[in-house]
This record gives sequence, structure tokens and C-alpha cells, in this order.
Amino acid sequence: GENVEQHPSTLSVQEGDSAVIKCTYSDSASNYFPWYKQELGKRPQLIIDIRSNVGEKKDQRIAVTLNKTAKHFSLHITETQPEDSAVYFCAGGDFGNEKLTFGTGTRLTIIP
Amino acid sequence: DTEVTQTPKHLVMGMTNKKSLKCEQHMGHRAMYWYKQKAKKPPELMFVYSYEKLSINESVPSRFSPECPNSSLLNLHLHALQPEDSALYLCASSHPPRETQHFGDGTRLSIL
Repeated sequence: GENVEQHPSTLSVQEGDSAVIKCTYSDSASNYFPWYKQELGKRPQLIIDIRSNVGEKKDQRIAVTLNKTAKHFSLHITETQPEDSAVYFCAGGDFGNEKLTFGTGTRLTIIP
Repeated sequence: DTEVTQTPKHLVMGMTNKKSLKCEQHMGHRAMYWYKQKAKKPPELMFVYSYEKLSINESVPSRFSPECPNSSLLNLHLHALQPEDSALYLCASSHPPRETQHFGDGTRLSIL
């Protein structure tokens, strides 16, 4: 089955700087890669996703890049703000089944 | 507003009790999911229902029994749980089954 590794496990960034979180996956059949943000005591919320037919996707301050050859994808947050502090999970899956495999999570702290 | 509604928000039960968790969505999604999430860990898939049929059971112990009465409702029946079953139980839905999953706020379950 799929295995998704996520790094780093914790990340502290000065407000206004950029943050990058990286994930690698093992199953070449995976073709869908969402990113979820989970604040303390709250539900995971989808912030951006990418499908394997594109290499990059951007939504305001958030972008995701995908390298299918190397089997890795990354989340980029620019101009970070205190409200970006949360745990971020990457995930991988394929359209052949309903299962998403989550990474282990990154706790992002934005330092004011 | 949360589009996937879970009740109750909190549940404390003894190991001999029987209780049920409920999940409801009115987005017309045809796939619904149960996840278990322990503190500081990613969501862990338990069950998937696709078009009201159980499509994935991730080898979950029989003390957890899922039910999908119709396309909008998903239940998780609990019986004879163990202290290690204490966790946040998240419901999610998607449409079609392999698209983006939307999570509810979860039920925080404590087993005494």
C-alpha cells in the first residue's frame, strides 16, 4: 500500500517569512495529493490539492508543487501570518480506490 | 459552517456501554468515511461507504460497527470499547467517491 512521509515534524517561522513542508510517497499509482490544515481541537480542513496531471498549483499565499518522477510534493506558504499556525497534513491517494494515506503531520508555529 | 455534522461532540462511556456516533451530510456526496485520530497523529481510516455499501474496512475490531442507513447518514455503533479506543472520531464525505474529502468536527470519545 501507499506510504507517505512528511518533513519536518515541527517548523517555526518568523511572521512574514515563507514556510515549506515536504512529503514523499511510495505508490506510483497515486494521483491525488491534498493538504489539510488542522487547528487545535478542530477538524482537518482542505487548503489545497493537486492532481498528477499538473506540476504546480497556487491559491493566494499557498502553493503546492508535485514532482512525479521523484515522487514528492511540497506545500509552500508565503508571507506567513499568526493564523497560519496549525498542524498540516499531506496525503496521497489514487482514483482507483477511496483510501487516502496521510503523512505524519507538521506542526507549524508562526512567531510574531 | 461545517457541512458535515457529527453528534455528539463529546462522549464519555464505560467499557460495558453501548453507544452510537452519528454523521450527517446534505451535500449529495455518495461516499462517507470514518476516521480515528489520536492526539498528535494523523487521521487513521477505519471504514468507507460508497453508494451506501461498505467498500473498505481497515481491519477494525468488531466492537466498532458501522452503518449507512441512507446516502446522507453514517453511524458508528460502539460496544465493549477499551481505554485505548479513546480518540477523536472524524466523519468525512466526498463526491464522487474519489474526490476531495470534507471532514466533520468530530466526536471526542473517552472510555473510562
